[in-house]
Amino acid sequence: NAGVTQTPKFQVLKTGQSMTLQCAQDMNHEYMSWYRQDPGMGLRLIHYSVGAGITDQGEVPNGYNVSRSTTEDFPLRLLSAAPSQTSVYFCASSLRQGEIKSPLHFGNGTRLTVT
Amino acid sequence: DAKTTQPPSMDCAEGRAANLPCNHSTISGNEYVYWYRQIHSQGPQYIIHGLKNNETNEMASLIITEDRKSSTLILPHATLRDTAVYYCIVRDSFSGGYNKLIFGAGTRLAVHP
Repeated sequence: NAGVTQTPKFQVLKTGQSMTLQCAQDMNHEYMSWYRQDPGMGLRLIHYSVGAGITDQGEVPNGYNVSRSTTEDFPLRLLSAAPSQTSVYFCASSLRQGEIKSPLHFGNGTRLTVT
Repeated sequence: DAKTTQPPSMDCAEGRAANLPCNHSTISGNEYVYWYRQIHSQGPQYIIHGLKNNETNEMASLIITEDRKSSTLILPHATLRDTAVYYCIVRDSFSGGYNKLIFGAGTRLAVHP
């Protein structure tokens, strides 16, 4: 199994451009989420999904959109990139939404720079 | 969810036990303690979790005090590959049923030869 796969690994955007960060998991996990990590800070939750067709906001959702049309995929969209969105983005998934013993599995991140 | 407090950094000699403390004095009865770590440039990795009993797996041991206000993650024989940031997180098993972990700043563990 590949686990959680994020693409691309690196991306440079100009202010105002749009792009989609891809996240796919092959573990049939119900729950998927996006975090961002900035230097010297912990991970902050952007959006999450408890199943196909269901999404909700995390701590820092502004400037990001998500959708969950399949169990496997959870793309994160930046509609108009801003320098404040320069960060490392991590996608994570877990087996069940309400299962306390279901740890999060993380991808290896997308490093985004907005100039 | 309860807030956690961890030292910003710790050192450990290779081959020795690394004991990473975490304070969660406002933890409530149905909140679990989770530990994750993040090796440089990688995504966080799950290590262990527990409610009130001590737990052990192939990676580490988790010791939770009787009053559950603090815990210690123990890496019994630290190696250079254990150099990472370690995150202690508490989560309510009934927090909407959502696996919405809140990460703090963590402890940066440096294992040296």
